[in-house]
Amino acid sequence: SYELTQPPSVSVSPGQTASITCSGDKLGDKYPCWYQQKPGQSPVLVIYQHNKRPSGIPERFSGSNSGNTATLTISGTQAMDEADYYCHAWDSSTVVFGGGTKLTVL
Amino acid sequence: EVQLLESGGGLVQPGGSLRLSCAASGFTFSNYDMHWVRQAPGKGLKWVSTITGSGSFKYYADSVKGRFTVSRDNSETTVYLQMNSLTAEDTAVYYCAKDFGIMSHPFNFWGQGTLVTVSS
Repeated sequence: SYELTQPPSVSVSPGQTASITCSGDKLGDKYPCWYQQKPGQSPVLVIYQHNKRPSGIPERFSGSNSGNTATLTISGTQAMDEADYYCHAWDSSTVVFGGGTKLTVL
Repeated sequence: EVQLLESGGGLVQPGGSLRLSCAASGFTFSNYDMHWVRQAPGKGLKWVSTITGSGSFKYYADSVKGRFTVSRDNSETTVYLQMNSLTAEDTAVYYCAKDFGIMSHPFNFWGQGTLVTVSS
C-alpha cells in the first residue's frame, strides 16, 4: 500500500522559515495537499495542488514538490503556526495521509 | 457558509454497531464527494471512506472494508457511516469532510468530529 513519510517533529524560531517534508513514491504526480491541525480542533486545508492556498490562508504558507518529496514552507513563522501538519495524497482510489509533523515554535 | 455537523458518536461495546451522520449545508451537496476520516486519541489522521456525489461509487480503507458502509441522502444533504463489528481499534474521533471538487481531491471543509469509544 502507498505510504507518505513525514518527520515526527520540526522546530523553528519565531520569524524564521519552517520546512516540513512529505515523501512518497512519485508523489509529484499525485498533487499532494497539506492540512494544519491545532489541539482540539479540526484539520484545516492550507495548501493544495502543490502550491495553491485556499481563501483565508496567509501568504506565508507555500508548497513545493520535487519528484518524490513535497515540502510545506512557512515563512516568517508565528507562534500561532504551532500545530500538527499532515500531507495527503490519493493513490488508486484510496486516500493516504502522512503520519503528521508537530511544528514547535520556540 | 459551509457547515458539516456530525452526530451519532458514543460509547459502544466491542462487536456492537453505530451509525454516524453528517448533516451538510451551505453548498450544492450532490455535486461533491464526501469523506470520513478518523483520528484515534493522540494519533494521526486516517482515511476511512469516500462516497461520490451521486452515491454511485464508494471506497473504503482496508481496515474497515466489510464492516463499515458509507451512504448518502442527497435530498436530506446528509452522509452516513454505518459501523458494524466494532473493536477497540475503531475508537477515534470521526470527521466528515467535503471534497474540494478538483482533480487532486483535497478536503476543503471538515466537521467538528464525533467521538466513538469502543469499550466494555
